[in-house]
Amino acid sequence: DAKTTQPNSMESNEEEPVHLPCNHSTISGTDYIHWYRQLPSQGPEYVIHGLTSNVNNRMASLAIAEDRKSSTLILHRATLRDAAVYYCILRYGGSQGNLIFGKGTKLSVKP
Amino acid sequence: GAGVSQSPSNKVTEKGKDVELRCDPISGHTALYWYRQSLGQGLEFLIYFQGNSAPDKSGLPSDRFSAERTGGSVSTLTIQRTQQEDSAVYLCASSLVVTSSTDTQYFGPGTRLTVL
Repeated sequence: DAKTTQPNSMESNEEEPVHLPCNHSTISGTDYIHWYRQLPSQGPEYVIHGLTSNVNNRMASLAIAEDRKSSTLILHRATLRDAAVYYCILRYGGSQGNLIFGKGTKLSVKP
Repeated sequence: GAGVSQSPSNKVTEKGKDVELRCDPISGHTALYWYRQSLGQGLEFLIYFQGNSAPDKSGLPSDRFSAERTGGSVSTLTIQRTQQEDSAVYLCASSLVVTSSTDTQYFGPGTRLTVL
């Protein structure tokens, strides 16, 4: 799977929007962009995924650059519960089954 | 519905002992994965089961590690002759695997293994 680059950490204030960036300059045309997050002392949980168009679900939005070399996970109103490590992962149809996790971005949310 | 469950939640063992960790995947999920996360480290893939196919064992760190999946459902990860470096959180996940580009993996809460 192609490589992704994320900042090690970010801070946000509660109830403000958070934009978590991910660079994936070697992405191929069939790679899907997935985001997972891991809350403290829990297993990872799926957040969202997309291919080319921006995506919205109840948890977050995913904004994908036109050239697909970067994407941004948007939390519209951060809560204390959103403090977690966020992982950006690329997947393609021929991917081996397991996810390949990088170091992710540790998001801290201040009250 | 019920998510992925793992047992025990915590396991403390002595160096040299064998341990078994259990994973109950979501009903109907054909794929099952084991990962581990050492303190301050990232998530490391261990082994992957998909339906009736031979498991992908490419992530197992040594021949002390093995896993079984009985009846396409419950899985057991066995670590023989445990070492202190085996101390970690062992995570299990399952998925439908319609296609690997879009499938979602659902993780259990993990088993924290401490080897004294």
